[in-house]
Amino acid sequence: DAGVIQSPRHEVTEMGQEVTLRCKPISGHDYLFWYRQTMMRGLELLIYFNNNVPIDDSGMPEDRFSAKMPNASFSTLKIQPSEPRDSAVYFCASSPGLDNEQFFGPGTRLTVL
Amino acid sequence: SQQGEEDPQALSIQEGENATMNCSYKTSINNLQWYRQNSGRGLVHLILIRSNEREKHSGRLRVTLDTSKKSSSLLITASRAADTASYFCATDRSSNTGKLIFGQGTTLQVKP
Repeated sequence: DAGVIQSPRHEVTEMGQEVTLRCKPISGHDYLFWYRQTMMRGLELLIYFNNNVPIDDSGMPEDRFSAKMPNASFSTLKIQPSEPRDSAVYFCASSPGLDNEQFFGPGTRLTVL
Repeated sequence: SQQGEEDPQALSIQEGENATMNCSYKTSINNLQWYRQNSGRGLVHLILIRSNEREKHSGRLRVTLDTSKKSSSLLITASRAADTASYFCATDRSSNTGKLIFGQGTTLQVKP
């Protein structure tokens, strides 16, 4: 298995632009998580899905952020409009069950100018 | 707010020495997990210890859990330069939501 796949690996955009981050979880994993990592706030859970259904989005910072999981093999995290304070590394992780380890992707480093 | 807090924030040792990192948390947990992150990479799961367990081993790693003190420790024995990374503890609260709350991490440097 290739592991969790994220794209792009790096994204540089200007303030106000729409940003879409993509994630392909490990096949057979029922849970998908989106995290954001910054120096100031560490690793924060933004949202997670179970069987493609969003379960908890309490970590999504504001309405500019949205996430979807149209099928078991694909999820997107969208920021519209982007702001400089959104600059961070965004990780996607998947897990086979609630009580299991999480497998992380390599992350997307987002820079908003 | 952070559930887990690692101590120390940074640790520098010589190759061959043991490294101990501690994690404290605030609420009851279902399990506690340790992850490693190499610079510029994603997190890699190291070990999971459940609330009814006190100690687990995996290769050169030893994890202990003291639920009465709400703390855990990660011991890396006979450290290697390749162990240089940041180490995070993450807790899954007893409500078993699957939501992991990560600490701020301990940065370990192992000097060759």
